[in-house]
Amino acid sequence: KAGVTQTPRYLIKTRGQQVTLSCSPISGHRSVSWYQQTPGQGLQFLFEYFSETQRNKGNFPGRFSGRQFSNSRSEMNVSTLELGDSALYLCASSLVAGVGTGELFFGEGSRLTVL
Amino acid sequence: GENVEQHPSTLSVQEGDSAVIKCTYSDSASNYFPWYKQELGKGPQLIIDIRSNVGEKKDQRIAVTLNKTAKHFSLHITETQPEDSAVYFCAASIKDTGNQFYFGTGTSLTVIP
Repeated sequence: KAGVTQTPRYLIKTRGQQVTLSCSPISGHRSVSWYQQTPGQGLQFLFEYFSETQRNKGNFPGRFSGRQFSNSRSEMNVSTLELGDSALYLCASSLVAGVGTGELFFGEGSRLTVL
Repeated sequence: GENVEQHPSTLSVQEGDSAVIKCTYSDSASNYFPWYKQELGKGPQLIIDIRSNVGEKKDQRIAVTLNKTAKHFSLHITETQPEDSAVYFCAASIKDTGNQFYFGTGTSLTVIP
């Protein structure tokens, strides 16, 4: 069974640009969550999608957005990039949503560097 | 919102010794506490979890304890092996908030052969 696939794995952007990251969840999983991982900050929740609807959103500015498609694949977008957006962006899928007691299956992440 | 603190940030142990990582949380509504292990270049992977109605859970060499009164939970790894070397994250989830998890800042564990 294929795991969570994130693309691209690495990317470099400059300040002011925008970026789109993609995530394909495990087959059958309908919940997709996104986390930002930075050194010293751990993982911080960005948002969760289920059945193409955003269920929760973390404390990030509106420059961070996402969406989910009918096949459960998800994308996140960051506009007007800032240096502080440099991070590893992790996508996690889960069999169920809204439960809060289910296992998250993480992808290997997309490492974004903003110059 | 919930705040999860994790200590220590780095931990080195000799192979065969035990390792303990501690976390505290702030919101008494948190009811689910997973632990994730992240190896270099990989995403975090769940290794053990505990729910608020349980005080202790064990899975082979790994155990987790939860003290709801004090709002802290701990990961215990016994008979450590070099392959246990990784970054470990604790997390907490508040009841009825979906898959929004609050993570600690991580503990980098090194097991010295």
